[in-house]
Order: sequence, then C-alpha cells, then structure tokens
Amino acid sequence: DSGVTQTPKHLITATGQRVTLRCSPRSGDLSVYWYQQSLDQGLQFLIQYYNGEERAKGNILERFSAQQFPDLHSELNLSSLELGDSALYFCASSTRGRPQETQYFGPGTRLLVL
Amino acid sequence: DQQVKQNSPSLSVQEGRISILNCDYTNSMFDYFLWYKKYPAEGPTFLISISSIKDKNEDGRFTVFLNKSAKHLSLHIVPSQPGDSAVYFCAASVGQGGSEKLVFGKGTKLTVNP
Repeated sequence: DSGVTQTPKHLITATGQRVTLRCSPRSGDLSVYWYQQSLDQGLQFLIQYYNGEERAKGNILERFSAQQFPDLHSELNLSSLELGDSALYFCASSTRGRPQETQYFGPGTRLLVL
Repeated sequence: DQQVKQNSPSLSVQEGRISILNCDYTNSMFDYFLWYKKYPAEGPTFLISISSIKDKNEDGRFTVFLNKSAKHLSLHIVPSQPGDSAVYFCAASVGQGGSEKLVFGKGTKLTVNP
C-alpha cells in the first residue's frame, strides 16, 4: 500500500459526459501528479501540483483540468469525454515535488467511455 | 515523438538467471533516470534510479547501467525470481527551474519462469 488513495476505482460513462477523479496523497506529501495510461502506451504525464499551485504541465488536453485543494487532495476533471479518453488514470505524490524524489502511485482509476 | 523507448514489449527468463531490460532515450538534456515496476491492478512502484553523472547504481539484486554516449540505460536483475514478474517502466526527467517532469517509456513485461 503506497498510502495514495484514488477514487473511484472504476468509472463507466458515455461520450460527452464529465467526470471527476479524486486523489489523496500520502501523509506529508505536498506534490501531486496525474498520469494517463492508455492501451499499449506508457505513462503520459498530465499535470503536477505542489502545495496548491500548478508546477508542471504535460500534454494535458484543454478538456481536462485539475486542482489541488488546501487539504492537499487533488481532483482531475475530464469533460466532453471521447472514446479515446478511456484509460487508466494514476495519481502519484511526492514530498517536495522534485523528479529525483520517489513518486508514490495510487492504484489508479480505470475510465471507460462508451 | 517518443523520447524514452523500451523496444522490447516483453521478456521471458528462467528463475535464477539474469534479466536485462533496456531503455533508449533521445533527449540529451535528461539528467536523471528511474525504473518503476508495476504489478497488475496496482500503481507503479519505484525500483531504482541513477543520476546522469554516474554510470552505475546498485541496490541488492538490481543494478542500473547508464551509457550516456549511446543514450542507453539498462536494468539488470540477478538472480531473477518469479516475484519479479511485472511490467517495468523506464523514466527520465527533463526540465529545470521547478518545471521538471518525468517522461516514461511504454514498459517491458518481464516474466520469470520457475
């Protein structure tokens, strides 16, 4: 158990809909990362937050947004969903948000868009 | 444009033998490299890392080698055990000034046969 929790575990929705994925980092970790793993793809970095502020951005679509709240949990919002958004979405956390630090990953949320 | 490539989608070895997982990268600005291991239905877990100023890092049965001139790194597992069966992701960090991010390869599925 990494100490990172993600809810829900599974999500099935329809095209055009909007969903929210939630992540609680390990106790004491200030930084949260979001990744997408599509079929046959590696982990694609989406976005990173550190202590409530956006720190780094990857290839995150404009239809996607995220935020980190004062209690340090984070939410990833996916809107106008398309079939291609079906993927595993991982959240990870680290202490100070440096890439040399170990990132602790949650178990992921599996999103299926029908 | 895939900056981190793991060209072998899968690898099968016998228990007790050496497993060698390879990773190539294209961006000469990468300055830190990591390996993560992923079991089914779990998030990735950190395994071992290496800074670009080193050419080898060892941790128990796991050794990572870095050849900067060839832009190549490899993970050696000796001796391999059935519990090592998992997907292994190579990752590299790029960026500076607080905007560093990890770039992951697509992974290599290792199967260690008893």
